[in-house]
Amino acid sequence: QQQVKQSPQSLIVQKGGISIINCAYENTAFDYFPWYQQFPGKGPALLIAIRPDVSEKKEGRFTISFNKSAKQFSLHIMDSQPGDSATYFCAAGGPLGSSNDYKLSFGAGTTVTVRA
Amino acid sequence: NAGVTQTPKFQVLKTGQSMTLQCAQDMNHEYMSWYRQDPGMGLRLIHYSVGAGITDQGEVPNGYNVSRSTTEDFPLRLLSAAPSQTSVYFCASLGQNSYEQYFGPGTRLTVT
Repeated sequence: QQQVKQSPQSLIVQKGGISIINCAYENTAFDYFPWYQQFPGKGPALLIAIRPDVSEKKEGRFTISFNKSAKQFSLHIMDSQPGDSATYFCAAGGPLGSSNDYKLSFGAGTTVTVRA
Repeated sequence: NAGVTQTPKFQVLKTGQSMTLQCAQDMNHEYMSWYRQDPGMGLRLIHYSVGAGITDQGEVPNGYNVSRSTTEDFPLRLLSAAPSQTSVYFCASLGQNSYEQYFGPGTRLTVT
């Protein structure tokens, strides 16, 4: 039983378009929500992360939106580029400062393809 | 720094064989973990360690053993491989005061 549900499974976007990936969680004890990016044949790498005390975090073309009451968070990739083609995983962890500090529950992943 | 390294990159086993997947990190990180990645399942935590001599089970520990004799190394042992263990295995580490997990390049294991 996955603790974090991610959708869609895959998406195709034109260069310059917006990619949106959604995740939902059940465990209200989670308080750390990272997104990882994975290229074929490589390990995942941290892209951006958010804590529930803010509703949005932006780093360059990547933005996380967080809705605590709905227990949902999403990744927006603005001005998508072919180099953004990868698999994206949302995750949830915590509560930070507890024995669950280092355990992450991952979503199933979304394969993003950006067409030139 | 090499970061997190894993060997081998690819491995084919027959059912019932045993093997050890190696993982090493040179960042002096206390926390290390093993995940398996399967299509449509994301990454699932197998075992983790919060320091040398300390290990614990994750979400899917059955069929796997780990040990942590040094800070740098965290090997994963399959005692009797089964086809259900066909997967891509990732080792990860993170240090104190950080929540970013650094992943290795992965080992693709096929059990026939």
